[in-house]
Amino acid sequence: NAGVTQTPKFQVLKTGQSMTLQCAQDMNHNSMYWYRQDPGMGLRLIYYSASEGTTDKGEVPNGYNVSRLNKREFSLRLESAAPSQTSVYFCASSEVNSPLHFGNGTRLTVT
Amino acid sequence: GQSLEQPSEVTAVEGAIVQINCTYQTSGFYGLSWYQQHDGGAPTFLSYNALDGLEETGRFSSFLSRSDSYGYLLLQELQMKDSASYFCAVRDLGNNAGNMLTFGGGTRLMVKP
Repeated sequence: NAGVTQTPKFQVLKTGQSMTLQCAQDMNHNSMYWYRQDPGMGLRLIYYSASEGTTDKGEVPNGYNVSRLNKREFSLRLESAAPSQTSVYFCASSEVNSPLHFGNGTRLTVT
Repeated sequence: GQSLEQPSEVTAVEGAIVQINCTYQTSGFYGLSWYQQHDGGAPTFLSYNALDGLEETGRFSSFLSRSDSYGYLLLQELQMKDSASYFCAVRDLGNNAGNMLTFGGGTRLMVKP
């Protein structure tokens, strides 16, 4: 059972470079989320998609864009990376009123 | 908006009982969840309380008091493998009736022999 799969696992970018973090789930969940986690801190919501075709901003959306490609896939794009975006990024999926299932994270460093 | 407070660190010995508290302030409340995260790993769901009272799942229990905006996670018969970070989280229905969770800063539990 794959669950939620994130790629890549690790990435190093230079300031100003762009990249897309990929996320796919095989649980047929309607909702998908992107969180970031900084050292010693909780998870902060960047964007979420309640269902296919919808996306909404979370707590910290600046500097990011998302695409809900289909029911399975939800990608996060950094158009011009900044050192402040160095973090661990987690994708998650769920049904309404059900627990979140997280991927294993992408560890991003921006130099 | 939502805000949650929990202690940053707790230390306990193997076999003991530990309680991790969480207080919250929310504009709308739809339940308190607890997640566990081992170092380098992904958060995993532990428990959920929508109503007041105690929910028990094996060695772990979670309690909620909505009138006090307070909950706790109780871990019994602590084992070394329980060393991890524990996050409380509240649900917000969000703009599109999704299932948004706002997380606390996490409590790092260290279990010593």
